[in-house]
Amino acid sequence: EDKVVQSPLSLVVHEGDTVTLNCSYEVTNFRSLLWYKQEKKAPTFLFMLTSSGIEKKSGRLSSILDKKELFSILNITATQTGDSAVYLCTLNAGNMLTFGGGTRLMVKP
Amino acid sequence: SAVISQKPSRDICQRGTSLTIQCQVDSQVTMMFWYRQQPGQSLTLIATANQGSEATYESGFVIDKFPISRPNLTFSTLTVSNMSPEDSSIYLCSVGQYGTYEQYFGPGTRLTVT
Repeated sequence: EDKVVQSPLSLVVHEGDTVTLNCSYEVTNFRSLLWYKQEKKAPTFLFMLTSSGIEKKSGRLSSILDKKELFSILNITATQTGDSAVYLCTLNAGNMLTFGGGTRLMVKP
Repeated sequence: SAVISQKPSRDICQRGTSLTIQCQVDSQVTMMFWYRQQPGQSLTLIATANQGSEATYESGFVIDKFPISRPNLTFSTLTVSNMSPEDSSIYLCSVGQYGTYEQYFGPGTRLTVT
């Protein structure tokens, strides 16, 4: 059975800090790994990763995948209060998504 | 990415009643899914909505409780039937194109059953 485990479960930082969110997985038929940000209801798409070692970057956020060690990290630099959210790591193993439990990030002013 | 809308955005319903949630996409998509997110939990896939045929349900979800329609490539509905307080959740539709492995979510419907 496909499995996604995220750590830490929650994190409290101050504005300006850099955070690293972790995602490890087990999968039979890997297609992609996706990161989402969920603030209220709907998860917002951040990144899709399919290849090892290639960093995806968007502003202060970046992510990388290691398909050999079966993990991904999401980095957020110079955090802002608007980064406060639950970050979801998701595995796509054939068009259906398997979600991790999420990391709840709180950024304090 | 596609623009996805859901109606209603929220509702409060009495137990024993049913609610139909609509998901509309502004372009044709091959894949449409329905998810549930119970309070404090991550998202759980309910079913894949198949155009022109019966939905494919995940373990623990059945058609009698969550009937789904998908008459075309831009629209789907999920009905939550005979509701109980345990059905209080956020319901989300998501869309994707077969083979692209990205999915995008609608704004969600927050359902409270009293």
